[in-house]
This record gives sequence, C-alpha cells and structure tokens, in this order.
Amino acid sequence: DAGVIQSPRHEVTEMGQEVTLRCKPISGHNSLFWYRQTMMRGLELLIYFNNNVPIDDSGMPEDRFSAKMPNASFSTLKIQPSEPRDSAVYFCASRAQGGGTQYFGPGTRLLVL
Amino acid sequence: SQQGEEDPQALSIQEGENATMNCSYKTSINNLQWYRQNSGRGLVHLILIRSNEREKHSGRLRVTLDTSKKSSSLLITASRAADTASYFCATGGDTDKLIFGTGTRLQVFP
Repeated sequence: DAGVIQSPRHEVTEMGQEVTLRCKPISGHNSLFWYRQTMMRGLELLIYFNNNVPIDDSGMPEDRFSAKMPNASFSTLKIQPSEPRDSAVYFCASRAQGGGTQYFGPGTRLLVL
Repeated sequence: SQQGEEDPQALSIQEGENATMNCSYKTSINNLQWYRQNSGRGLVHLILIRSNEREKHSGRLRVTLDTSKKSSSLLITASRAADTASYFCATGGDTDKLIFGTGTRLQVFP
C-alpha cells in the first residue's frame, strides 16, 4: 500500500496567491483529517471528513480556508488568499472505519512570502 | 487547542539507556495513542491504549495509563540512535477527533 499521498511536498508562494494542497487517503479508509503543524501552535486539527462528508470544521482558522472531498480517494485544502502566517506544514491523515489509528501523509511544507 | 501536555519537552540520552516520556490531559478519553515524528516527516502510530487498560507493550515500548490522574507514560527501553525523534501523545474521545500533545523531542546519542 502506498500510504497517504500528499502533493505538493513543498510550496513557496507569495502573499495573496491561492494555494491548493492535495491528499489521497489510503484505499478503503473512510475518514480523512487535515492538520496544520507550527512551532508556536503544535499540531492542530483543521477539519475532518467521514465518508466524504465534512463533520467538524471548527479548526479551520478563517474563511480563507476551505476543504473539499469530492470522492473517497481525493481531498483538497485551499487557502485563498494566502498570508505569511499560513506558513506551516500541512498534514493529511486517514483512518479505517472503526479504527483508532490515523495514518499520516508526509506533509506539505508551505511558505508564504 | 491542545489537550495533552508532555514532559519533558526535550530529552537527551545515550544509546542503551531507557527513555521515559509523560503525557497529561484534561478531559475524559476513550483511548490514548502515541505517535513518533522524525524530522521533516509525517507522524507514525506507535501504540494505542484504551481507557480500560492500564499497561500495554509493543516490542521495546511500554505504555501506561492512569485515568484517575489523567496521565500516561511512554517508556522506550534499550534506546537506539534510530529512536531519535519527537514523540506525541494523542487523546481520543467520543468523536473521531484526536487531540495531540505538545511533544517530547528525544535525542539518542550513539
């Protein structure tokens, strides 16, 4: 199994630009989670989906952030417009139904200049 | 927001020594999990302990859970240089969410 796949692995962009992060969960997993990790705030849950439906987006920092899961094998996290304070590592994780373990992707390191 | 606070924040030991990391949390839980993160990588699941369990082993790892004190510990025995990483506890409750702690940075010197 290829594990959770994220793209791009690195993204450098300028303030005001739109950024789209992508995630392919492990096949057969029905829950998907988006996290953000920074030195100051640690690992924060942004949003998670069950069976492609957003369940809890209370961690999404503001309206500039949006996430979609159009099907069981793909999700996007979009930031529009991006700001320097959005610079962080963004992780996607997936989990099997009824399971407790989350499987993390390698992350996308985002730098907004 | 983070539920777990980990102690110590950083730990340096020699190969062969044991490493103990502690995690405290605030609310009731269904399970507590430990994850490892190597520099620049994603988190890797190590072990899960349920709220009705007190101790669990996996290879060189031993996890304890004291729900009355809302605390857990992770012991790595006979540490190796390859154990160098950050270790996070994460609590699971009635929802699907995991709340991660602040992490302990472990450095194992050869």
